This record gives sequence, C-alpha cells and structure tokens, in this order.
Amino acid sequence: AQKVTQAQTEISVVEKEDVTLDCVYETRDTTYYLFWYKQPPSGELVFLIRRNSFDEQNEISGRYSWNFQKSTSSFNFTITASQVVDSAVYFCALSGRGGQGAQKLVFGQGTRLTINP
Amino acid sequence: DAGITQSPRHKVTETGTPVTLRCHQTENHRYMYWYRQDPGHGLRLIHYSYGVKDTDKGEVSDGYSVSRSKTEDFLLTLESATSSQTSVYFCAISESWQGVKAFFGQGTRLTVV
Repeated sequence: AQKVTQAQTEISVVEKEDVTLDCVYETRDTTYYLFWYKQPPSGELVFLIRRNSFDEQNEISGRYSWNFQKSTSSFNFTITASQVVDSAVYFCALSGRGGQGAQKLVFGQGTRLTINP
Repeated sequence: DAGITQSPRHKVTETGTPVTLRCHQTENHRYMYWYRQDPGHGLRLIHYSYGVKDTDKGEVSDGYSVSRSKTEDFLLTLESATSSQTSVYFCAISESWQGVKAFFGQGTRLTVV
C-alpha cells in the first residue's frame, strides 16, 4: 500500500525566514509521481509541482524549491524568504498507476504553515 | 484553470437523509474522482470513475455511492447521511495517471447534524 507522511502538523515562522516542509513516502511501484499542493485559507487546492520517480533533479521556482531523494523516500519543500501570503496548508501527495490508468492520489496529513509579520 | 464546478458549495442535512453532491466538468477528461478532507487525514479517495458508467472504489467508500451517466457529470450520493460524513468534499479530474496534475473543484462543505 502507498503512504505519505508529513510529520510536521503545524509550523510557525517569522516573515523572511526560510522554512522546509518534510514529506516521506512509501510505495512498491517503480514508476510513480509526487506532488505538492497548497491550500490557502480560501480552501481551494493549488497545484505547485509534480515530479516523476525517474527524475531526481532538484527544482527551483522563484522562492520555492523541492528536494527529491529516492534513497530516503523523501520529497521536501523549501520556501526561501517566506512571506505572509505563503500561509496555507501544504499537502504532499503520491500517485501510482491506479485501476484503468486512473491518477489516484494518496495525500499526506498536511502541514499548516503560518508566516507571522 | 480547469472547468470544474461542484454543487452545492455548502449543505447542512440531518442524520439519515439522502444527499447528492454533483461535480460537473467542461474539460472532457476521462477520469473523475471524489475525495473527502478531514483534519489529520489530508484528502482521501472515496470513489473514482474511468468512463461513463465505469466506477471503482477508493480508500473510504463505505456509505457512499457514485454514478456517471455522462462524461461531464459525476455524482456522489450518501444514501443515509451520518455525522461521520461531515466533511469537505472535493471533486477532481485528470487525463490519466501520467497526466501533469489533477484539477480540483472548489469543494463542498457538508455538515450532518
């Protein structure tokens, strides 16, 4: 069975601090995809990134960066110079090949990030 | 953003009553999903559909049924609502498991009293 663990339930930092959100996953699939979603206070789910299991290159997008390490089954997310607008719940998710080719996502519990001014 | 509409957006219902949530898409994606979000659990898959009249169970399917009579519509039914089904329900669509991402609707907040 697939599993995603986000051990950090809540994180609170002061604006401009760097913060890393941890994600550890379990799967027996050799091909899989990892995702990060953001859920701001308004409630919608915002896609941030997808990474496939064969691509271990780190990704940087502005103040956001992602570190994927298959050796430790981790896909961590770092926000550099955090801003109040980064306050949200962040979800890590895993998808293997579901029945009939469906993209069945398994989510972690989520990390509530609060950026204080 | 992808065209996904959930209705209703909010609903309060009494224990034991039937409830149907609707998801409508304009993207013509093959796959549609229903997830529920609860504190401490993230989102969990209830049911999904891989085509018209083709559905399958997810992780937390007990107490729920689904139907898909048209490509664009995916209905989630609680035959007899219970307080444990109080949750936020999200519909999602995707092209395939290798698709870039699943697109999510805005969510439906259901309260069973």
